[in-house]
Parts: sequence; C-alpha cells; structure tokens
Amino acid sequence: DQQVKQNSPSLSVQEGRISILNCDYTNSMFDYFLWYKKYPAEGPTFLISISSIKDKNEDGRFTVFLNKSAKHLSLHIVPSQPGDSAVYFCAASGEETSGSRLTFGEGTQLTVNP
Amino acid sequence: DAGITQSPRHKVTETGTPVTLRCHQTENHRYMYWYRQDPGHGLRLIHYSYGVKDTDKGEVSDGYSVSRSKTEDFLLTLESATSSQTSVYFCAIREFETQYFGPGTRLLVL
Repeated sequence: DQQVKQNSPSLSVQEGRISILNCDYTNSMFDYFLWYKKYPAEGPTFLISISSIKDKNEDGRFTVFLNKSAKHLSLHIVPSQPGDSAVYFCAASGEETSGSRLTFGEGTQLTVNP
Repeated sequence: DAGITQSPRHKVTETGTPVTLRCHQTENHRYMYWYRQDPGHGLRLIHYSYGVKDTDKGEVSDGYSVSRSKTEDFLLTLESATSSQTSVYFCAIREFETQYFGPGTRLLVL
C-alpha cells in the first residue's frame, strides 16, 4: 500500500522556467510534509516542509502548496536552475506515526536544461 | 550538516556473510533511523531507535537487526546477507519534525 505517491518519475524544464513537482497521499493522519532533494552518491538533503495547519510555505525559490481536501502537495521551483537537477522526494509523517517515521514517495528526477 | 557519518561508504560482500553498517552522530540526537533506497521505492524504513537500547521495526525489517548501545552510534546488521539486500543504506537523525540524512552506504551482495 503506497501511502505517498509521486506519479511522475521524471520532469524536464528549461532554465528560468517554473518546475512543479507533485505528490499525493492517502493517509488522512499525515499532518507534516517534507521535500528532500538528492544528488547522486549523496544523502537526501532537506529542502522545505509544511504543516497541515498551513496551505503554503515559501523559502526563497521554493514554495510548497498543500491541498488537504485533495490529499495533494506540490513543490514549485521558480526560477529553475541547472543546479536544481536532482531527484526530489516528498515525505509525510503524522502525530500518530510511531517514532515520527517518514513515509516517502518514489521520487521524481528533475532535469533543468540550460 | 547534521554531523552524521556512515561507515563503510561502500562494501561488496558475498551471500550468507554477516555485515554491519555503522551510523555515527555527534549532536546527541535521541532518534536515529535506518532506511534503504531502491529504484522505484523511494526510501523505506528498516528500523529506528528512540534512545539507547530502545529500538523498533520499520516496514522492511526482515533480515535486519539493529543495536544502539550509546547515543552516538546506531548499528545495522545483516545477519546473513542476501542478494535482495543489495541497496543503498541511509542513516538519519531527527531534529524536531525533520530528519537529516547521512551520506549513505552502498552495499553489493554477490
């Protein structure tokens, strides 16, 4: 049972344009959501997060939107830069989740073309 | 940088041999986690620890055991490695609601 799903394995955008990465979840007990970026041969790096009491969180070029009724979140990167090319994982946790474990999506490979 | 190191960074072993991976942290975090990353699966939790000698299973714990005898070290052991355990293993610590990851160990079981 895949509770967190990223339906797009890959996304390609032009430098300077917007990148939109999507994530869907099924567990209504999730109340905290995170995005991680991963370069090859490195560990995932925390990017941005959002609590379920909010519908938007912004940090520089990165904005995460949360639509609780649709159980959907998205990460917007504006403007996209070649250095943003990486695999992006969304993750979710809930107060009821023992150990505050994270449930990850499968990841989306973002390629930003110069 | 959450002060997490993993050792070894790369390992090749043979089926049936025991393997121990080490995660070391320097900032006294209570929670530590072991994940594996495989294509098409994202990261999946193997085991986690919520204190010295306090551990619990994750979603893919079969074939793995863990130990935490001191705060800074969390060990993952494959008692008898199988080819299905070929993967990249990541350790993480938790700070408030966020987990921070180590650099990973790439394990190949032949």
